[in-house]
Amino acid sequence: RKEVEQDPGPFNVPEGATVAFNCTYSNSASQSFFWYRQDCRKEPKLLMSVYSSGNEDGRFTAQLNRASQYISLLIRDSKLSDSATYLCAVYILTGGGNKLTFGTGTQLKVEL
Amino acid sequence: DAGITQSPRHKVTETGTPVTLRCHQTENHRYMYWYRQDPGHGLRLIHYSYGVKDTDKGEVSDGYSVSRSKTEDFLLTLESATSSQTSVYFCAISRESYTEAFFGQGTRLTVV
Repeated sequence: RKEVEQDPGPFNVPEGATVAFNCTYSNSASQSFFWYRQDCRKEPKLLMSVYSSGNEDGRFTAQLNRASQYISLLIRDSKLSDSATYLCAVYILTGGGNKLTFGTGTQLKVEL
Repeated sequence: DAGITQSPRHKVTETGTPVTLRCHQTENHRYMYWYRQDPGHGLRLIHYSYGVKDTDKGEVSDGYSVSRSKTEDFLLTLESATSSQTSVYFCAISRESYTEAFFGQGTRLTVV
């Protein structure tokens, strides 16, 4: 089983729709979680950190479910400019330093 | 934007030659990471560093070595390049092992 898993999509949604992505992780001791956005042929960029209490940034809401070991990203009122690949990232605890591990990403296409 | 510079940005090399990619940061962050990104595989961790001279392997470390002789520089060496190492390589940095990471712009490497 992969340490971090995402549905690769693509998710094709109309403009204005609400869309949700999930990401599961295998290490129950993981403490820090993030969502990144990656545009084609560009580097990933931090979208938001995911806190235990959940957090919101405009149209974006991130939540953490420790019991079921997944994080989620909700995008409301989708815009054409939201089309991108969304990557979740989790710090996996190791004997040395912790390693930041990514899911394979979920592709979102917002259409007119 | 975080001060991360990758060099070179593009490189074409021949099979069997050694190649070194450089990641330079001006943020004084403790952690540095090297990833490769390939279609269908997402971002895969090659090696990471949690301090000067402190490095550890990621999930796809075979055929790669790294060095970190000072805080700001993290070098990735392909000891004898193979066609399977054709990829986009990203460097990332994070302040600590539980904080958000920031990426360089990537190096597109082609091994012919």
